[in-house]
Amino acid sequence: QSALTQPASVSGSPGQSITISCTGTSSDVGGYSYVSWYQQHPGKAPKLVIHDVSNRPSGVSNRFSGSKSGNTASLTISGLQAEDEADYYCSSYTSSSTRYVFGTGTKVTVL
Amino acid sequence: EVQLVQSGAEVKKPGESLKISCKGSGYRFTTYWIGWVRQMPGKGLEWMGIIYPGDSDTKYSPSFQGQVTISADKSITTAYLQWSSLKASDTAMYYCATSNGYNFDYWGQGTLVTVSS
Repeated sequence: QSALTQPASVSGSPGQSITISCTGTSSDVGGYSYVSWYQQHPGKAPKLVIHDVSNRPSGVSNRFSGSKSGNTASLTISGLQAEDEADYYCSSYTSSSTRYVFGTGTKVTVL
Repeated sequence: EVQLVQSGAEVKKPGESLKISCKGSGYRFTTYWIGWVRQMPGKGLEWMGIIYPGDSDTKYSPSFQGQVTISADKSITTAYLQWSSLKASDTAMYYCATSNGYNFDYWGQGTLVTVSS
């Protein structure tokens, strides 16, 4: 089971919107509504920001939104802020023996 | 408040054994899975395995099957990750996280394991 494919880096200016893609297969992203997104600041533990494709946990800013089309999921951060600068990982449940698979990770830079 | 508190950093030699812990509080320990995730230096997240403390049902990623052992002691609301013989390539940060079976909701602070001769 290969990792889900994410762009290595995405950047944007404060106030802009950016979108991070996460491409898998019909055995993972395309086959289930169990895609989640995690934010990780340097030296910190990951934090869940989106679960079940598009649901935000309590306390997560509504500037974060998720969606899915076919085998590709997306995380959009609107009104980009300096505090959003971090690494972002997608994850999906998978029918393979691996059970879960993470994405390759995307570094978000706020210009 | 849900909390997962992991044991402290470890420095070990190749071939040594190690058991790190993850203590849960603020929720019903036996009704949520706990997963373990590895992050090697400068690299991404890798799912290692998951345990359901209620009945100790455990599932491993094929990449880690036979390399580590995951266990839990529900009497003290603690999950464990252990190695019988460490290798230099086990050097990494290890995170535990609660899971409903499909997402990883709450994360521990991480345990840094360094294996060096």
